[in-house]
Amino acid sequence: EVQLVESGGGLVQPGGSLRLSCTASGFNFDDHAMHWVRQPPGKGLEWVSGISWNSGNIAYADSVKGRVTISRDNAKNSLYLQMNSLGAEDLALYYCVRASDYANAGWFDSWGQGTLVAVSS
Amino acid sequence: EVVMTQSPATLSVSPGERATLSCRASQSVSSNLAWYQQKPGQAPRLLIYGASTRATGIPARFSGSGSGTEFTLTISSLQSEDFAVYYCQQYNNWPTFGGGTKVEIK
Repeated sequence: EVQLVESGGGLVQPGGSLRLSCTASGFNFDDHAMHWVRQPPGKGLEWVSGISWNSGNIAYADSVKGRVTISRDNAKNSLYLQMNSLGAEDLALYYCVRASDYANAGWFDSWGQGTLVAVSS
Repeated sequence: EVVMTQSPATLSVSPGERATLSCRASQSVSSNLAWYQQKPGQAPRLLIYGASTRATGIPARFSGSGSGTEFTLTISSLQSEDFAVYYCQQYNNWPTFGGGTKVEIK
């Protein structure tokens, strides 16, 4: 069974940083591109960032570019999102998502349950 | 960036009726279009990929059609468990989502 378990969310002050993690199991992690998708409370889905199987292809949404860094460790079956300069607009549930494709996108066939990032002074 | 626009924002349908949801892309995405269902408190679930292929375990009452810039998700006979929010997503380039359509009980 495919499992994606996020961690690292929490309450942070404006301008602060967080590192989100996602641990994968039940499949060959390095056969898939991986992504982060976020959802503000009561709102829709927003793609945040994606990384190809070998980290050779990475992209970010304009809304987070320059403030976040995605990475992965295939030996540890783990995906990460380093988030800096956090603001109120970053308040959301952050999902770790598996793509069907190894390269960049593909459809999203497995989702974690999400980790909540809250920004408040 | 490819902008995805879904309509309507809310669709009121009686159980047993047909629901038709639309999704439009700002430029052609070929057939690289997926649909997801999300219920309150749950992560999204993949319904359709390749514009028209049902994901594993998805009932036949869900069907997708379209290519290029115009896409449709049809639920042929709404069941109680189908009332949810539906999102389209293009993956022709780095992905983008539509704003969602909430299907509610009429």
